[in-house]
Amino acid sequence: SQQGEEDPQALSIQEGENATMNCSYKTSINNLQWYRQNSGRGLVHLILIRSNEREKHSGRLRVTLDTSKKSSSLLITASRAADTASYFCATGLKSNDYKLSFGAGTTVTVRA
Amino acid sequence: NAGVTQTPKFQVLKTGQSMTLQCAQDMNHEYMSWYRQDPGMGLRLIHYSVGAGITDQGEVPNGYNVSRSTTEDFPLRLLSAAPSQTSVYFCASSPSLAYEQYFGPGTRLTVT
Repeated sequence: SQQGEEDPQALSIQEGENATMNCSYKTSINNLQWYRQNSGRGLVHLILIRSNEREKHSGRLRVTLDTSKKSSSLLITASRAADTASYFCATGLKSNDYKLSFGAGTTVTVRA
Repeated sequence: NAGVTQTPKFQVLKTGQSMTLQCAQDMNHEYMSWYRQDPGMGLRLIHYSVGAGITDQGEVPNGYNVSRSTTEDFPLRLLSAAPSQTSVYFCASSPSLAYEQYFGPGTRLTVT
């Protein structure tokens, strides 16, 4: 079964607006990673946040992690048409160092 | 560096046929894995390897075999293809699960 679940399943925003998506998970983690997938392509790593970290930034991306609520959020600021993609969270479980568990993803559409 | 390469890009098989999906990486990564992606389900782990000669099962291993004779290569074998194996297959590598995963471009497999 999937460990992480993204919310919402789909998001449509205007160019220039911010996009926020959330990931909830069930068991304790070592780290949580966010990936982007453009249509028909492989996944590209965005940010990795470790269980002892609360927030990380990378360019227009901001990721938060709340281990007490078992949740993470990804914020994309000042969105562009090129941000149109599916976004996935993946959790590295504390109980197993060798398996990364992906959620079903959030599909983001940025309208020009 | 070519990164992670996968061949073929597309493949059509008849039920009962066997084939091998190839995956290679040139980054000297110890960890390699195979995922399948089905619509609305995110990525599910099929098999993974933490080094040459070491492989283990993921979430959905039935119908698939793997081997890891070198650090660079991690082929996935379909023993007797079934329509339920119609999917997009991704190979990934990384130094370990504590780091970002590098994904290949994927193989789109259709079993008729």
